[in-house]
Amino acid sequence: KQEVTQIPAALSVPEGENLVLNCSFTDSAIYNLQWFRQDPGKGLTSLLLIQSSQREQTSGRLNASLDKSSGRSTLYIAASQPGDSATYLCAVRDDYKLSFGAGTTVTVRA
Amino acid sequence: KAGVTQTPRYLIKTRGQQVTLSCSPISGHRSVSWYQQTPGQGLQFLFEYFSETQRNKGNFPGRFSGRQFSNSRSEMNVSTLELGDSALYLCASRPGTHFSTDTQYFGPGTRLTVL
Repeated sequence: KQEVTQIPAALSVPEGENLVLNCSFTDSAIYNLQWFRQDPGKGLTSLLLIQSSQREQTSGRLNASLDKSSGRSTLYIAASQPGDSATYLCAVRDDYKLSFGAGTTVTVRA
Repeated sequence: KAGVTQTPRYLIKTRGQQVTLSCSPISGHRSVSWYQQTPGQGLQFLFEYFSETQRNKGNFPGRFSGRQFSNSRSEMNVSTLELGDSALYLCASRPGTHFSTDTQYFGPGTRLTVL
């Protein structure tokens, strides 16, 4: 059974600092890994998708890496802004479903 | 393109009642999935539909069911509601082209409260 873990559970940083969010998974038989953002009481917004054959993906200030063999992914957010405050979730896709971590709640202080 | 839409956005029901939630996927997407989100259990997979067929089902009791129509719209039904069914129900769609490249897009969710 796939287990997805995100550390830390919560993070508070001053504006302008870079954010590093970690995700680990137990079964490397995945098709892809996705990072999502969730604002309180809202749905999930897709940020990045990394295929299992890829090592990283970039979108604007966001960069995500994937090491499938060690079961790890890292999301980097450069020059954080108060608008980046949200819960960030990682999820891995097998041929059955997306398995989610519990998320990291980020607060960026102005 | 319009995003994934879900109706209704909020529902309040009492124990023992049944409820139907609706999801309209992004135009052209053939796969629809449903997830339940609770503070204690996080996001849990309910089921996935592709071209009107249920492909997979999560570890939920038979009270939870769903279907997909020929236009890819989907509904999920929960019968004999229990207090523990209170949750945010999220629908997601993807093109249905390939697992590796398909980004999953989520709707805003339906907040179900069971009293």
